[in-house]
Amino acid sequence: ETTLTQSPAFMSATPGDKVNISCKASQDIDDDMNWYQQKPGEAAIFIIQEATTLVPGIPPRFSGSGYGTDFTLTINNIESEDAAYYFCLQHDNFPLSFGQGTKVEIK
Amino acid sequence: QVQLVQSGAEVKKPGASVKVSCKASGYTFTSYAMHWVRQAPGQRLEWMGWINAGNGNTKYSQKFQGRVTITRDTSASTAYMELSSLRSEDTAVYYCARRARCTGGVCPYYMDVWGKGTTVTVSS
Repeated sequence: ETTLTQSPAFMSATPGDKVNISCKASQDIDDDMNWYQQKPGEAAIFIIQEATTLVPGIPPRFSGSGYGTDFTLTINNIESEDAAYYFCLQHDNFPLSFGQGTKVEIK
Repeated sequence: QVQLVQSGAEVKKPGASVKVSCKASGYTFTSYAMHWVRQAPGQRLEWMGWINAGNGNTKYSQKFQGRVTITRDTSASTAYMELSSLRSEDTAVYYCARRARCTGGVCPYYMDVWGKGTTVTVSS
């Protein structure tokens, strides 16, 4: 079973900042890492697949990197609309597992 | 557009069962599988299982095996998750999420579309 350690749990950013969210896997999961964004009361949105591929329709200020055990979601030039809860998912093995999530606040 | 609409909030007593529905629209229901995931207050998301909406085959997390039953009604394009023997620790938001489609013979496990969630409260 793969445990994902996501950090930070909370961050506050100013519009225009570059934000990095980390997700570390307890074992090698190749590039089987996805990232999602969720706003209160809304359905989660799929933003990064296979660690580095931007899902169609997602703004290019979002990017993903990493392979194996260490992964990062980066938001460049963060905007106020990016205030949300972000979580990672590993889909390499069962049971599928998630990071603890990161709440991003925009000042 | 693709949409998953879940049933409304539920309040149940310990020992009871709850059945949450997830109505799909905007795509061919039987061409995809449907996951169920939950998130208890202050906890991370937790995968419960999935159902192949085409053939009805299911796969459950070992943690919930024996207590969870995922079914579907193809005529209604609806998936269901029933959790039995409820306890207070089952208080959570329950989500359905569509499994991403197979491409080139490769079928990923992950979710591409999510519902908004259904709050289930277990309290005496």
